[in-house]
Amino acid sequence: RKEVEQDPGPFNVPEGATVAFNCTYSNSASQSFFWYRQDCRKEPKLLMSVYSSGNEDGRFTAQLNRASQYISLLIRDSKLSDSATYLCVVNAQGGSYIPTFGRGTSLIVHP
Amino acid sequence: EAEVAQSPRYKITEKSQAVAFWCDPISGHATLYWYRQILGQGPELLVQFQDESVVDDSQLPKDRFSAERLKGVDSTLKIQPAELGDSAMYLCASSADRDSEQYFGPGTRLTVT
Repeated sequence: RKEVEQDPGPFNVPEGATVAFNCTYSNSASQSFFWYRQDCRKEPKLLMSVYSSGNEDGRFTAQLNRASQYISLLIRDSKLSDSATYLCVVNAQGGSYIPTFGRGTSLIVHP
Repeated sequence: EAEVAQSPRYKITEKSQAVAFWCDPISGHATLYWYRQILGQGPELLVQFQDESVVDDSQLPKDRFSAERLKGVDSTLKIQPAELGDSAMYLCASSADRDSEQYFGPGTRLTVT
């Protein structure tokens, strides 16, 4: 089993739709979590950190479920410009905080 | 806004040749990462530095890859000899500390022919 798993998609949704992605992790000692956005052939860019209490930034909401060992990203009112790959990152404790990326979930928002 | 710098942006090399990539992290960032990303996959950590020390290099193919961050600031990743399977995007990232968010440079796209 991979340490961090994401459904690769693609998720194909119309403008204005609400879409959610999950990311599961296997290391229960994981301490910090992030979502990144990556456009084709570009570098990943930080979208948001994921806090234990959940957090929201405009149309984006991130949640952490430690009991079930997953994080989620909810995008409301999807825009064409949201089309990208969304990567989750999990930092595991164990002295080194080694980051592990998921393979990414592809989102395509169409008119 | 501070950025992570990488060079070159693109590199084409023949197999068996040596190649080197350079990264300058955001000023003051103690942690520096090198990743390799193949199309359709997430970035794979090759090496992580905390200041000038290697924290993790378990996924670095040490027979051909080497990385250094001598003064705890900029870093170099070297491949010698390059193989066809090394063709990928090589990304550098930095963070203020090991548990903070990472900021990525634009990457070096390597093609080995």
